[in-house]
Amino acid sequence: KQEVTQIPAALSVPEGENLVLNCSFTDSAIYNLQWFRQDPGKGLTSLLLIQSSQREQTSGRLNASLDKSSGRSTLYIAASQPGDSATYLCAVRRPSGGSNYKLTFGKGTLLTVNP
Amino acid sequence: GAVVSQHPSWVICKSGTSVKIECRSLDFQATTMFWYRQFPKQSLMLMATSNEGSKATYEQGVEKDKFLINHASLTLSTLTVTSAHPEDSSFYICSAGDIFTSATNEKLFFGSGTQLSVL
Repeated sequence: KQEVTQIPAALSVPEGENLVLNCSFTDSAIYNLQWFRQDPGKGLTSLLLIQSSQREQTSGRLNASLDKSSGRSTLYIAASQPGDSATYLCAVRRPSGGSNYKLTFGKGTLLTVNP
Repeated sequence: GAVVSQHPSWVICKSGTSVKIECRSLDFQATTMFWYRQFPKQSLMLMATSNEGSKATYEQGVEKDKFLINHASLTLSTLTVTSAHPEDSSFYICSAGDIFTSATNEKLFFGSGTQLSVL
């Protein structure tokens, strides 16, 4: 059974700091890995998706890496801003395709960026 | 990106009543929709997968007679929590994707969620 762990559970940083969020998964046989952002009481916004054959993806100040063999991914946020404050979720998709599109989520990292 | 609309955003109901939650894909056809539940400080847990026009597939431990899912059209899926009890209080969120035909079929788009409180 796939398990996804995110460390740290919570992180508080001053504005402008670069930071790294960690995600690990127990079964390396994944199809892809996705990072989401969740604001309180809101839905999820997809930030980055990394296919199992890829090593990293970048979007603006965000960079996500994937080391499938070791079951790890990191989300790097550069020059953090108060607007980045949210819960960041990591999710992996199991290999089966088609309608068998099950995502296994971690519990998330609650990020607070202080002005 | 694609938009998934979920209503209501929050609902408070008495124990024993039924609550219906709607999930609509506004600008694409959602061949498949997923329903998740999230308890405080816990992971999102998949409850069921529904494909348009067929019966939903429920995850282990999820009571299909309690959580009724209807996906009658390519733009609408509903989750009905029947005879709700306080332990059903949770954040319910749907996601949708046209995973069979879309060029962006790797991504799912999420609704804004429904906070259910059962008194």
